Amino acid sequence: DQQVKQNSPSLSVQEGRISILNCDYTNSMFDYFLWYKKYPAEGPTFLISISSIKDKNEDGRFTVFLNKSAKHLSLHIVPSQPGDSAVYFCAADGGATNKLIFGTGTLLAVQP
Amino acid sequence: IAGITQAPTSQILAAGRRMTLRCTQDMRHNAMYWYRQDLGLGLRLIHYSNTAGTTGKGEVPDGYSVSRANTDDFPLTLASAVPSQTSVYFCASSELGGSWQDTQYFGPGTRLTVL
Repeated sequence: DQQVKQNSPSLSVQEGRISILNCDYTNSMFDYFLWYKKYPAEGPTFLISISSIKDKNEDGRFTVFLNKSAKHLSLHIVPSQPGDSAVYFCAADGGATNKLIFGTGTLLAVQP
Repeated sequence: IAGITQAPTSQILAAGRRMTLRCTQDMRHNAMYWYRQDLGLGLRLIHYSNTAGTTGKGEVPDGYSVSRANTDDFPLTLASAVPSQTSVYFCASSELGGSWQDTQYFGPGTRLTVL
């Protein structure tokens, strides 16, 4: 049973527009969430994280929003660039265990 | 600084053979991890080590073993490979291990095919 779900396998966005990637989780014990970006034939690269004591974290063009009551987080990329085209994974940590639970990923394609 | 290196990059292996995937980090991180990535399943944790000399089981440990003799190296061994172990394997490390907000950093991966 998937504890972390990314229900959109793929997303296509025009360059310059906003990309919104969504992630849902079922375990209310999760208290730290991360987004990773993965290019083909490379390892995942850490992008941004958020702890459960916050509802927003921003780093340049990337912002992550956390809605604990809905058990939902989203990654916003503004403006989107062709180099952002990659698979994005969200991951959750259940309380200082460092055993990350990953979603299945969303393939983002940013069209020039 | 190389970060995390993995070897080999790819390997084709006959079923029943023994195989060790190597992972080395130069960041002096306490914790190291092995994941496998399969289509439609994301990344799943196989084994982890919070510090040299200790190891633990992840979500899918069966058929795999690990050792952590020192801080830098964390090899993953398939004692007798089976086709269901065909996957892309990623090694990762984090500074603290077992601590809150400890971000994991990944190696480039090993693509393993078991025939």
